[in-house]
Amino acid sequence: DGGITQSPKYLFRKEGQNVTLSCEQNLNHDAMYWYRQDPGQGLRLIYYSQIVNDFQKGDIAEGYSVSREKKESFPLTVTSAQKNPTAFYLCASRDPPADTQYFGPGTRLTVL
Amino acid sequence: EDQVTQSPEALRLQEGESSSLNCSYTVSGLRGLFWYRQDPGKGPEFLFTLYSAGEEKEKERLKATLTKKESFLHITAPKPEDSATYLCAVPGTDSNYQLIWGAGTKLIIKP
Repeated sequence: DGGITQSPKYLFRKEGQNVTLSCEQNLNHDAMYWYRQDPGQGLRLIYYSQIVNDFQKGDIAEGYSVSREKKESFPLTVTSAQKNPTAFYLCASRDPPADTQYFGPGTRLTVL
Repeated sequence: EDQVTQSPEALRLQEGESSSLNCSYTVSGLRGLFWYRQDPGKGPEFLFTLYSAGEEKEKERLKATLTKKESFLHITAPKPEDSATYLCAVPGTDSNYQLIWGAGTKLIIKP
């Protein structure tokens, strides 16, 4: 079955730690996205990548970093510079003909 | 400024009580409006895309409609399993790659 997988489902971070969230897709989509979702707010774009080895900052990129070495993979690192990282993180990929974005199941990150 | 506003923030209905959710937008040259359903603790699930005023799409008890300024998601005779947060989004004026998202409407259907 084609789809997007994210791991882990739950992640706990101590102050000062970097953590990496995994996102993998087998839909053969070029474009991939990372969003952050907080209660009562819309999805906010962190980073997006239109193609391998290329990515652009979204609206809230500070404290986050990404890489895109393979078409299938778009990992997100939450660095210690992100002061309020507790949130639900969603990865998506885009289907070009209809511009539809499809989402993974999400990772909930909690800072201890 | 590109903006998407959804109303109401939350809606509680009895099972079988029909209603509508609203998504209003301000972008130049609409290139699609997307509706998603999100269950608690899960990723959004794609429902519909609408491209032009007057267009309608249906799926089970849901029907989405589009005008030049807003979209409605009509829910007919809802069931408790329709309870979820419904999100809408539009491409930004300057980019097909970035979507502008509304904050969502939390729909609760009581049996």
